[in-house]
Amino acid sequence: TQLLEQSPQFLSIQEGENLTVYCNSSSVFSSLQWYRQEPGEGPVLLVTVVTGGEVKKLKRLTFQFGDARKDSSLHITAAQPGDTGLYLCAGAPGGNQFYFGTGTSLTVIP
Amino acid sequence: GAVVSQHPSRVICKSGTSVKIECRSLDFQATTMFWYRQFPKQSLMLMATSNEGSKATYEQGVEKDKFLINHASLTLSTLTVTSAHPEDSSFYICSATPLDTQYFGPGTRLTVL
Repeated sequence: TQLLEQSPQFLSIQEGENLTVYCNSSSVFSSLQWYRQEPGEGPVLLVTVVTGGEVKKLKRLTFQFGDARKDSSLHITAAQPGDTGLYLCAGAPGGNQFYFGTGTSLTVIP
Repeated sequence: GAVVSQHPSRVICKSGTSVKIECRSLDFQATTMFWYRQFPKQSLMLMATSNEGSKATYEQGVEKDKFLINHASLTLSTLTVTSAHPEDSSFYICSATPLDTQYFGPGTRLTVL
């Protein structure tokens, strides 16, 4: 069961462009994480957000957790080819089990 | 950061055979580990929660008798895919959560011929 829907599913942009990935659910999460995954490897954690309305910045990446803790967004500024990968959000409804979103495959063209 | 390993990284087996995948926490103890599967170009689906010293908790739709989980020590959980069929071919990933952070293994690519 995937509680989290991500949009868009696929995204192909030119180097230097900005983009936003959305992660939406009807469920409330105690915490939400964003990951980036390369083909054939495990996901790598980018950020964890726990407070409604929280905004975190990681260099060119900006993460926001919705006020109601049901949704989140990832914004990338001036995308680079090295940003190419599968971006996944994952939410914990409670406890320590995380459920992943449907995923967004990003391709940044040089 | 914490390190989680998986073995093997790749396995090819014949239909009907069983395959065991190991997940180890290398520098911490993990009373709980998680097993996920991932089909090509799709997201990760949580299969089960592995609990040290007790039975695993399976997600809805996951067959307990087909995907046997054993968490015999604080650093090792195993997933055995019994009587594997081609539709079981997938990328299997484990994770462990020291404190509140989830660390993933590198994954195991299973191909069933």
